[in-house]
Amino acid sequence: DIVMTQSPLSLPVAPGEPASISCRASQNLLHRTGHYSLHWYLQKPGQSPQLVIYLGLNRARGVPDRFSASASGTDFTLEISRVEAEDVGVYYCMQTLQAVTFGPGTKVDIK
Amino acid sequence: QLQLEESGPGLVKPSETLSLSCFVSNDPNGRETHYWGWIRQPPGKGLEWIGTSRSSGSTTYNPSLKSRVTISLDMPTNRFSLTLNSVTAADTAVYYCARHFEWFGDPQHFDSWGQGTLVTVSS
Repeated sequence: DIVMTQSPLSLPVAPGEPASISCRASQNLLHRTGHYSLHWYLQKPGQSPQLVIYLGLNRARGVPDRFSASASGTDFTLEISRVEAEDVGVYYCMQTLQAVTFGPGTKVDIK
Repeated sequence: QLQLEESGPGLVKPSETLSLSCFVSNDPNGRETHYWGWIRQPPGKGLEWIGTSRSSGSTTYNPSLKSRVTISLDMPTNRFSLTLNSVTAADTAVYYCARHFEWFGDPQHFDSWGQGTLVTVSS
């Protein structure tokens, strides 16, 4: 099984400041197409998870360009250039190279 | 815009069977192409994948649940279902259905989710 870890697990951020979340997989997540089978979700309070980044690097439809991602082998990062109030919630990474596993989540809130 | 909606009992007794249905709307071309999955979230905890299925018959399950779970597709009626046998209190969770986007033949990201339905296992 591929195990996913995230850090930090809690991230208080002041409005307008940057935020960075790390996700690490126990195996390389490179898909045969050259993309990464790693995706990011944001679950806002009381809502279903919503897709933020798919295939390692691609912003989902409607996601602001202050969100970006990087990917390499087993290490993945989600970055928010300037955090806004609407960005609070729990961010999960998820791998789909072998079955599906989620990371434990990173809770982002406003300082 | 694709929409998914879960339905089913909100309360199930221990040792009985949990059955949920997901209705898919506004997806005229995707039902045969993409995969369809179930994910759950115990109260206050993280997300757990349950399983994924495709109309071609390809189905995969979380190994920790495989002995108790069945996902069935009924695409002509725009529905797919989840059955989980022999439930315990540990199966209490919000259950989500979602479209599992197909990429070069493989399921990748869940791109559309239902609103979720809480199922409590209690006598």
